Amino acid sequence: GENVEQHPSTLSVQEGDSAVIKCTYSDSASNYFPWYKQELGKRPQLIIDIRSNVGEKKDQRIAVTLNKTAKHFSLHITETQPEDSAVYFCAAIEANAGKSTFGDGTTLTVKP
Amino acid sequence: GAGVSQSPSNKVTEKGKDVELRCDPISGHTALYWYRQSLGQGLEFLIYFQGNSAPDKSGLPSDRFSAERTGGSVSTLTIQRTQQEDSAVYLCASSPGRFNYGYTFGSGTRLTVV
Repeated sequence: GENVEQHPSTLSVQEGDSAVIKCTYSDSASNYFPWYKQELGKRPQLIIDIRSNVGEKKDQRIAVTLNKTAKHFSLHITETQPEDSAVYFCAAIEANAGKSTFGDGTTLTVKP
Repeated sequence: GAGVSQSPSNKVTEKGKDVELRCDPISGHTALYWYRQSLGQGLEFLIYFQGNSAPDKSGLPSDRFSAERTGGSVSTLTIQRTQQEDSAVYLCASSPGRFNYGYTFGSGTRLTVV
């Protein structure tokens, strides 16, 4: 089965700095890679996603890159703000089969 | 509906009792997923529905867990003879179409087994 490793488990940055979270996956059948933000006690919210036919996608301060050959993908947040503080989860999904594996999460703290 | 609805939001039950958790997906979403999230942990996949059928039940932790979906809409997750280790937040998500992009999560049911 699929195995997703997410690093780091915790990340603390100063407001305005960039944050990078990395995930690796093992199953080449995975072809969809979403990132979710989960604030304490709230539901996971999709913040950005990428499909396997694309190498990079950007949405304002958030970007995701995918390296299919190396089987890793990364979330980049620029100009971080305190409201970016949350737990971020990556996932590797085999879209047509509904198979999903989530990383263990990264707790991001942005210090004002 | 406008979003994925789950009920109840909180459930406290005694060890050994059965519980039913309900998920009402976004209208028209054909795919539905159940996950379990223990405190401070990631999301553990339980089961996936496409329409009323469950092509992947591989994540159900034991035969005490079962799920069904009727009418291609509402799903119920049933846990029989609950144990303390079943305590967790149970999250449901749905996505449109067959290719399962763009999962939207519900707010979850926090289950506490005492």
